[in-house]
Amino acid sequence: DVVMTQTPVSLPVSLGGQASISCRSSQSLVHSNGNTYLHWYLQKPGQSPQLLIYRVSNRFSGVPDRFSGSGSGTDFTLKISRVEPEDLGDYYCLQSTHFPYTFGAGTKLELK
Amino acid sequence: QVQLKETGPDLVQLTQTLSITCTVSGFSLTTYNVHWVRQPPGKGLEWMGAMWNGGGTDYNSAFKSRLSISRDTSKSQVFLKMNSLQTDDTAKYFCARHHWGRYFDFWGPGTMVTVSS
Repeated sequence: DVVMTQTPVSLPVSLGGQASISCRSSQSLVHSNGNTYLHWYLQKPGQSPQLLIYRVSNRFSGVPDRFSGSGSGTDFTLKISRVEPEDLGDYYCLQSTHFPYTFGAGTKLELK
Repeated sequence: QVQLKETGPDLVQLTQTLSITCTVSGFSLTTYNVHWVRQPPGKGLEWMGAMWNGGGTDYNSAFKSRLSISRDTSKSQVFLKMNSLQTDDTAKYFCARHHWGRYFDFWGPGTMVTVSS
């Protein structure tokens, strides 16, 4: 199985500040069709995960441009600028290039 | 609008079988795929398996032969069945719509299942 290593585990931030989360995969996430299936989710307490970024860098409908994704191959980053209270929660990366699909262990974004 | 909702028991006895139904609306099961993901309390997300729009299935081998996914397209329902439950199967179980871009774009609220001895 592809192991997704997500860092840091916890990320204290100030409102209005910037946050960066890393996700590294144990093998390349480039599919034979040339696409890279790496996605980012935010899970707020008591809620189901919500899609933020799909295929590395594409913002899902309604996601503010404060969220951006980048990376390639095995190394990916989610950046959040101008952090707002509604951005707090658990962030997960998901790879769907290889079966079984696997998630990172999560990063808790919390107030400093 | 797109909606998914899981319904199932709150409590299942050790070694018994879990059955959960995912009822969808706003899209057709013959057009979109539906997957199952679970999350133990305070822990991360684990992909369990898939019901593809053509009727095929795929499973995470971590569940070996314990897991079965089926559907009734006329009722817009997808079913998860897992046998030989253990205490570490205690989790919130989610169904999610799988977009052709290979991501989950809509999720149900999840149903919490506790396995008790």
